[in-house]
Amino acid sequence: NAGVTQTPKFQVLKTGQSMTLQCAQDMNHNSMYWYRQDPGMGLRLIYYSASEGTTDKGEVPNGYNVSRLNKREFSLRLESAAPSQTSVYFCASSGGTNTGELFFGEGSRLTVL
Amino acid sequence: AQSVTQPDIHITVSEGASLELRCNYSYGATPYLFWYVQSPGQGLQLLLKYFSGDTLVQGIKGFEAEFKRSQSSFNLRKPSVHWSDAAEYFCAVGLYNQGGKLIFGQGTELSVKP
Repeated sequence: NAGVTQTPKFQVLKTGQSMTLQCAQDMNHNSMYWYRQDPGMGLRLIYYSASEGTTDKGEVPNGYNVSRLNKREFSLRLESAAPSQTSVYFCASSGGTNTGELFFGEGSRLTVL
Repeated sequence: AQSVTQPDIHITVSEGASLELRCNYSYGATPYLFWYVQSPGQGLQLLLKYFSGDTLVQGIKGFEAEFKRSQSSFNLRKPSVHWSDAAEYFCAVGLYNQGGKLIFGQGTELSVKP
């Protein structure tokens, strides 16, 4: 079972470059999320999509945009990368808005020079 | 605002010893509570969850956690730690009717001595 798949797993960018992180889930889940993980700060929510066709800001949305392409796919875009966006990014999905159990991808490590 | 605090950044225990990882939350209503584990280079895996009912919940890998409303705590325990339990552990609170999103604590890194 693939579960939640993220691409790419590693990426190095220069300041000002743009890129898109892709995420797909094959569990027919309604809700999808993007988190970033930084040392000592746990996971912080960037954006989420409670259902197909909707997106909402999380705790740290500045500098990011998202697209819920269809029920399976939820992408995260950095329009002009900054060194402060160096982080590990996790995509997650959930079967319902009130179940709370998130299924995570393996993460995408992004370095911005 | 909702928040989760894990007071211990790093804990070291000997293999075979008992373990307790602390978690305190701040949330106005009855929370949904979770513990996740992250092995190096991996995503997060759910250990256990509390929604309602019995305040002592059992999870995978021999872990359990107890919800104490009066202390706003949800501490994770294991009677005998194995070397393979070395990982980072995250406590999280789920927000009802807010898109299913979770608020995570800062994490506790567990090291296991042989």
